[in-house]
Amino acid sequence: QVQLVESGGGLVKPGGSLRLSCAASGFSFSDYYMSWIRQAPGKGLEWVSYRSSSSRYTNYADSVKGRFTISRDNAKNSLYLQMNSLRVEDTAVYYCARDSAEMRYCNSTSCQPHYYYMDVWGKGTTVTVSS
Amino acid sequence: QSVLTQPPSASGTPGQRVTISCSGSSSNIGSNSVNWYQQLPGTAPKLLIYNNNQRPSGVPDRFSGSKSGTSASLAISGLQSEDEADYYCAAWDDSLIGPVFGGGTKLTVL
Repeated sequence: QVQLVESGGGLVKPGGSLRLSCAASGFSFSDYYMSWIRQAPGKGLEWVSYRSSSSRYTNYADSVKGRFTISRDNAKNSLYLQMNSLRVEDTAVYYCARDSAEMRYCNSTSCQPHYYYMDVWGKGTTVTVSS
Repeated sequence: QSVLTQPPSASGTPGQRVTISCSGSSSNIGSNSVNWYQQLPGTAPKLLIYNNNQRPSGVPDRFSGSKSGTSASLAISGLQSEDEADYYCAAWDDSLIGPVFGGGTKLTVL
């Protein structure tokens, strides 16, 4: 069945780094945009980053831009999130999600969708940033 | 502070109909479709409504969505105890070039 399994979470000190992984199965991974979404303790959902199916397009939330890097390996059906310069406020459960999207148009740097939604979610991995 | 605005809480009794609102702007809800996610306690979010009013396979028809202008609503009819959860609206934002979420609404079944 369609499944996403995150791993790599843990306890890290402020300023440290962590790499999250998401293993996908049950669907054609290379056909889909993929996203990371996080949820701080007791808070709502916050989109972190997406990467297009071919890795041509990527974007980040302002809160993580310049510190986090999303990548994917379609041959391994895997999505990654490299998190550097971690802050206390990055403490959250990080979810990997499959994006169902049809793009309206694309230019050299980004696409605008006809529709875009996260239709499959992993169970999440917990990242705690604390001294 | 979330880009989309939802009431923090809602409540109803079993069998009742409740609605949850979601307010945005011309760059998100005004120009893109709205999606809703349900997060049961201690679990990952699940897609509940997509493209304003479409239900994924397996979602009961008690759940319905609508959109008008820069606002959207989720309606739940025949409220059941298992509907007690957090509900989030989301939409693509043309200015941010990414999806944005509402702050979430905690639904309590009295």
